[in-house]
Amino acid sequence: DVVMTQSPPSLPVTLGQPASISCRSTQSLVYINGNTYLNWFHQRPGQSPRRLIYQVSKRDSGVPDRFSGSGSGTEFTLKISRVEAEDVGIYYCMQGAHWPLTFGGGTKVEIK
Amino acid sequence: EVQLLESGGALVRPGGSLRLSCSASGFIFSLYDMSWVRQAPGKGLEWVSSISYHGEDTFYGDSVKGRFTISRDNSKNTLSLQLNSLRAEDTALYYCVSRGGGDSFDIWGQGTMVTVSS
Repeated sequence: DVVMTQSPPSLPVTLGQPASISCRSTQSLVYINGNTYLNWFHQRPGQSPRRLIYQVSKRDSGVPDRFSGSGSGTEFTLKISRVEAEDVGIYYCMQGAHWPLTFGGGTKVEIK
Repeated sequence: EVQLLESGGALVRPGGSLRLSCSASGFIFSLYDMSWVRQAPGKGLEWVSSISYHGEDTFYGDSVKGRFTISRDNSKNTLSLQLNSLRAEDTALYYCVSRGGGDSFDIWGQGTMVTVSS
C-alpha cells in the first residue's frame, strides 16, 4: 500500500502569515496516463471534508487563490500564502493513483 | 444543488449488520464512480470502498474486504454499503463521496454514524 506521510502534524500559524504542509508518498503518484493523482482536503471542525486541490496543483471551484499545491513524483506541498481565520482545521493529502486509496494522517492548523 | 445525503447509520452490536444508503442529486450520478470514506471518532480519514459508474467494478480496503459490499442503483441515484460482521473498530462516521481513484472525492455528504457496541 502507498503510505502518505504528512508533516508537521500540528501547525500553529499567525493570521496573515504563510503556512506550508508537506506530504510524501512511498510510491510515485504518476499514473499511466501521465497525470499525478494527489489531492488535498480541508476539514473544519464539525464539518465534512472539502477537496481543495486535485492533480497536485489544480484548485477546485471556489477555493481561494491563497491556496496553492506543488510537487511531483513522491513529494508534495500545500501552501497558504496568507492564513485567514477560516483556514483552521485539519488538512489531509490523499493519493488516487494506486489501490487502495490512502490518506495522510492530517495536519492540524490552528491560529497562534 | 449538488448533494449527497447518507442514511442508515445506527447503534449495532458486534457481529451485527447494517445497510447504509446515499441519495445523490444535482449531478448525473450514472456517470460517476462513487465511494465510501469513514472517519472514526477523533481520527483521520480512511477510504472504505469504491464502485465504478456502471457498477461492474468494486474495490475494498483490506480492513473491510469480505465483510462490506458496495452497490448502486443508477435508476434511483442511490449508492449503498452493506456492512456485515461488524466490529468495534468499524465505529465511524461514514461519508458518501463522489469518484474513486484519480481525481477523487470532489463531493461529500454530511455522513452517517455507525456505532458498534454491546
